[in-house]
Amino acid sequence: DAGVIQSPRHEVTEMGQEVTLRCKPISGHDYLFWYRQTMMRGLELLIYFNNNVPIDDSGMPEDRFSAKMPNASFSTLKIQPSEPRDSAVYFCASSLGPSSGEQFFGPGTRLTVL
Amino acid sequence: TQLLEQSPQFLSIQEGENLTVYCNSSSVFSSLQWYRQEPGEGPVLLVTVVTGGEVKKLKRLTFQFGDARKDSSLHITAAQPGDTGLYLCAGANQAGTALIFGKGTTLSVSS
Repeated sequence: DAGVIQSPRHEVTEMGQEVTLRCKPISGHDYLFWYRQTMMRGLELLIYFNNNVPIDDSGMPEDRFSAKMPNASFSTLKIQPSEPRDSAVYFCASSLGPSSGEQFFGPGTRLTVL
Repeated sequence: TQLLEQSPQFLSIQEGENLTVYCNSSSVFSSLQWYRQEPGEGPVLLVTVVTGGEVKKLKRLTFQFGDARKDSSLHITAAQPGDTGLYLCAGANQAGTALIFGKGTTLSVSS
């Protein structure tokens, strides 16, 4: 298996622009997670899905952030409009769920908002 | 709110030295995981501990889960440059479906 795939790997944009991050989870994994990592705050859970349904979005910082999972093999995290404080590395992870517990992370998308 | 505190935040040692990294919380976790992250990559699972007092060994790495399941430690014996990275502990929520991560310990081992 190719593992969790994220695109793009790097994104540089200007404040106010819309940003869309993409994730393809490992086939057969029922859970998908979006995280944000910064030096100050560490690795923060933004939202997670079970069988394509959002379960907990309490970590989404504000209404500018939205996430969708239209099918089992694809998810997006959108920021509109983007702000400089959104600059971070965004990770997508997938897992089989409580039976396994292990989360498999993608390589991340490094977002820079100027 | 469940929080995990890791210490030290940064650790720089020479090859061959021993070290211990700590992960503490005021909350009880059903299980606790340790991940290692290298620059430019996502975290990778090292171990999961479930039972209070549990000790697991992975080559030169020894992981311990506190008796009350609120804390954990990672001990590395005879550290090598290949051990360099960010070590993260993560506690599972009650349902076991999501993880809460500590901020991590950045380890640098020089030869």
